[in-house]
Amino acid sequence: NAGVMQNPRHLVRRRGQEARLRCSPMKGHSHVYWYRQLPEEGLKFMVYLQKENIIDESGMPKERFSAEFPKEGPSILRIQQVVRGDSAAYFCASSPLPGTGGEKLFFGSGTQLSVL
Amino acid sequence: SQQGEEDPQALSIQEGENATMNCSYKTSINNLQWYRQNSGRGLVHLILIRSNEREKHSGRLRVTLDTSKKSSSLLITASRAADTASYFCAYGPQEGGGADGLTFGKGTHLIIQP
Repeated sequence: NAGVMQNPRHLVRRRGQEARLRCSPMKGHSHVYWYRQLPEEGLKFMVYLQKENIIDESGMPKERFSAEFPKEGPSILRIQQVVRGDSAAYFCASSPLPGTGGEKLFFGSGTQLSVL
Repeated sequence: SQQGEEDPQALSIQEGENATMNCSYKTSINNLQWYRQNSGRGLVHLILIRSNEREKHSGRLRVTLDTSKKSSSLLITASRAADTASYFCAYGPQEGGGADGLTFGKGTHLIIQP
């Protein structure tokens, strides 16, 4: 049973470009979370999705950021017109259970986004 | 900010010693979890303690939870060099309250000296 798969592992973008980060949850998991981590910081919640639904996006910046988790395929975190401040590690996590109870999460290895 | 706080921020001890990390939080919670992160990697779940539990053990790990003080501690006994990592507490809200994602603390960076 493969773990949570994220790709790419490293992504370099110039300012103004788009970044697409992919996450395939563990088999059987229909709940996906995206977190952002800055150097020497903890993880900051961004968005919680179930298949085809955004459940909680309270941690997402209002502009340029969007996320989806389609019926088929991986979850995508999309950042348009990237700026240097978007440089961070982005982690995806999945769970077989709804997040309302704060359930255990399984994390991917992350995508390190560097904006030049 | 509802983010939890760990202390110390960094801890360096000799191999074989015990390591204790603390976590404080601000909201009511359903459970509290501890995760480990090796450099450049994702987080790995270590242990979960529910709000009606006071202490839990898993191998060399011991976690306590004091909901009246809104605090938790993680004790790693007989530390090994492989325990070198960052440790984060994370907690989920009581049902019906707050964001659905776990809230993470800023972490304690633990270094085990051989």
